[in-house]
Amino acid sequence: AQSVTQLGSHVSVSEGALVLLRCNYSSSVPPYLFWYVQYPNQGLQLLLKYTSAATLVKGINGFEAEFKKSETSFHLTKPSAHMSDAAEYFCAVRGYGGATNKLIFGTGTLLAVQP
Amino acid sequence: DGGITQSPKYLFRKEGQNVTLSCEQNLNHDAMYWYRQDPGQGLRLIYYSQIVNDFQKGDIAEGYSVSREKKESFPLTVTSAQKNPTAFYLCASSGGNSGNTIYFGEGSWLTVV
Repeated sequence: AQSVTQLGSHVSVSEGALVLLRCNYSSSVPPYLFWYVQYPNQGLQLLLKYTSAATLVKGINGFEAEFKKSETSFHLTKPSAHMSDAAEYFCAVRGYGGATNKLIFGTGTLLAVQP
Repeated sequence: DGGITQSPKYLFRKEGQNVTLSCEQNLNHDAMYWYRQDPGQGLRLIYYSQIVNDFQKGDIAEGYSVSREKKESFPLTVTSAQKNPTAFYLCASSGGNSGNTIYFGEGSWLTVV
C-alpha cells in the first residue's frame, strides 16, 4: 500500500526566504509522486510530478522537488518565496490496484509568507 | 477552453435531503474521481470511474452514490445517509494525453444545516 506523510501542517517564511515543504512516502513499488497547490476556495493545481525520469523535477512558479529513494522523500523547494506563494500544498503518491491512477494525498501544508 | 466544470460552487441543503453535485469534463478523459476535503485531513477518495457505465467505491463511499452514463459526466449524490456531509467536494479526471496526472475542478462547497 502507498502512503504520504507531510511534516508540518503550517510553515511560515519571510518573503525572499527559502521555501522547504517536506514529504515522505511509503510505497511497495516505484512510486509516481506529485505536488499540488491549492489557493483558498479553489481546486488543486499541479505543480510538478516525478515519474521515474530525472530525480530533480522542476515545476511551475519556480518550484522544484528532488526524489530521494534512499530517504523515501520528495521535498518541495523554492529559493525565494513570494507573497503569491501563500497557499496550501499537497504531496500525493499514485496508488496501484483497482484504480491505477488513484492518488493518495498527504494532509497538506499551509504556507504563509510574511512581508 | 478544456477543463473540468463543477456546479454549483456553493450549495446549502437541509438535513435529510439528498443533493447532487455536477461534474463535467471536456478533456476526453476516461477516468473520473470524486474527493472530499475536510480541514486538516487532506483529500479522501469517495468514488472513481475508469470507464463509462462502471464505477468503484473509494475509501469513504458510505452515504454517497454516483453514475457514469456519459464519458463527460460524473455526478455525485450526497444522500441523507451521509452523517456529516458538510465539506468541500472536488471532482477530478485523468487519461488521454494526461497519462498518470489527475486534474481537478474548482470544487463545490456543500453546507448542510
